[in-house]
Amino acid sequence: DAMVIQNPRYQVTQFGKPVTLSCSQTLNHNVMYWYQQKSSQAPKLLFHYYDKDFNNEADTPDNFQSRRPNTSFCFLDIRSPGLGDAAMYLCATSRPKGQGEDIQYFGAGTRLSVL
Amino acid sequence: KNQVEQSPQSLIILEGKNCTLQCNYTVSPFSNLRWYKQDTGRGPVSLTIMTFSENTKSNGRYTATLDADTKQSSLHITASQLSDSASYICVVSGKSNDYKLSFGAGTTVTVRA
Repeated sequence: DAMVIQNPRYQVTQFGKPVTLSCSQTLNHNVMYWYQQKSSQAPKLLFHYYDKDFNNEADTPDNFQSRRPNTSFCFLDIRSPGLGDAAMYLCATSRPKGQGEDIQYFGAGTRLSVL
Repeated sequence: KNQVEQSPQSLIILEGKNCTLQCNYTVSPFSNLRWYKQDTGRGPVSLTIMTFSENTKSNGRYTATLDADTKQSSLHITASQLSDSASYICVVSGKSNDYKLSFGAGTTVTVRA
């Protein structure tokens, strides 16, 4: 059974048109992550939440925002997508560090295309 | 500079054969090292996770080794199957409270019948 669920699997948007990607988890993990992965590259961390505590990576563009209304759900908002934002977006969850194995469990990803 | 280097970048093997993937890292201090399998168009799936004190860990036909002194790890795939065709990513976690992981660029394995 899927434990980290991302919707939609594929998203097509127009240049400059806001888009929201969603992620839900059944693992009850405190930590949730959003990654951007471009073709043949390693995933790049955009930000993560420890419960409600939001942590933004220094090089994450301002165009990217996130919301976590509760433990189970997390959203990635791209305010004005550009052609360079076309990528696979991965959501992941984990336990906090120091509370057992902090393996990150990934969702299947959302492939974003920008026309 | 990437702190996790993987080799080879890609390899092709015949079904039923074995192969070994390499990972060298410079992340310090070190907490644990994970190997993930990522099928094309899917999210990574954890295969193994090893801490400083662990030398080897198996998951079915996948066996990972770790030498924390030389900062090297390997992933051995035994009796490869067509479904093993994927990218294998080495990921290292540091000991700090930073949740940022260091990812290798991955090794793309293609298994041919």
